[in-house]
Amino acid sequence: QVQLVQSGAEVRKPGASVRVSCKASGYTLNTYDISWIRQATGQGLEWMGWMNLISGDTDYALKFQGRVTMTRDPSIRTAYMELSSLGSEDTAVYFCARGFGWFDSWGQGTLVTVS
Amino acid sequence: DIMMTQSPDSLAVSLGERATINCRSSLAVFHTSSSRDYLTWYQQKAGHPPRLLIYWASTRGSGVPDRFSGSGSGTDFTLTITSLQAEDVAVYYCQQNFTAPPTFGGGTKVEIK
Repeated sequence: QVQLVQSGAEVRKPGASVRVSCKASGYTLNTYDISWIRQATGQGLEWMGWMNLISGDTDYALKFQGRVTMTRDPSIRTAYMELSSLGSEDTAVYFCARGFGWFDSWGQGTLVTVS
Repeated sequence: DIMMTQSPDSLAVSLGERATINCRSSLAVFHTSSSRDYLTWYQQKAGHPPRLLIYWASTRGSGVPDRFSGSGSGTDFTLTITSLQAEDVAVYYCQQNFTAPPTFGGGTKVEIK
């Protein structure tokens, strides 16, 4: 079955960067994009951007442009999201999810704490 | 960006009763070329990632029980849970994918009365 498995929780100091990984399995990689969506504690969902795992094409939400970089290694079916210049407002759970329009499978989430 | 507004923020429903959640978009999300509304519903249980329930406003996702149904078109949409079960306690989100960026409603928390 489709699975997206993310890397573990991270703690960073303000101003630092963090990279989260998302390993996909159970489906043909080039048929879906991977999006990144975050959720601050007790808050709603915020789309950060997406990437095509084969071509590497990306589209980032305006809010994160200049701070977010999405990359991938198709040989190991893994997508990465790096966020730089972290502030306390970036403390959140970061999800990878399959798709660009709607998101039909989600990773388990990675808690990033900036403190 | 298209703004998504959900109502109510929370509701408490007795087991076996109906729960109704509303979602309004700031612009119509109906795509004329496909004749579809690009509106999706998700369920998120505490400590878990969201789960796709409904896409294209009314098409249930794989494995979603038929007590969940979506309706509406244009700018106004409804998620209905007929005969609420204990396992339906969750926060429900709507999301539009008519234009980039995809945007979500603020969520509606459903509890048991």
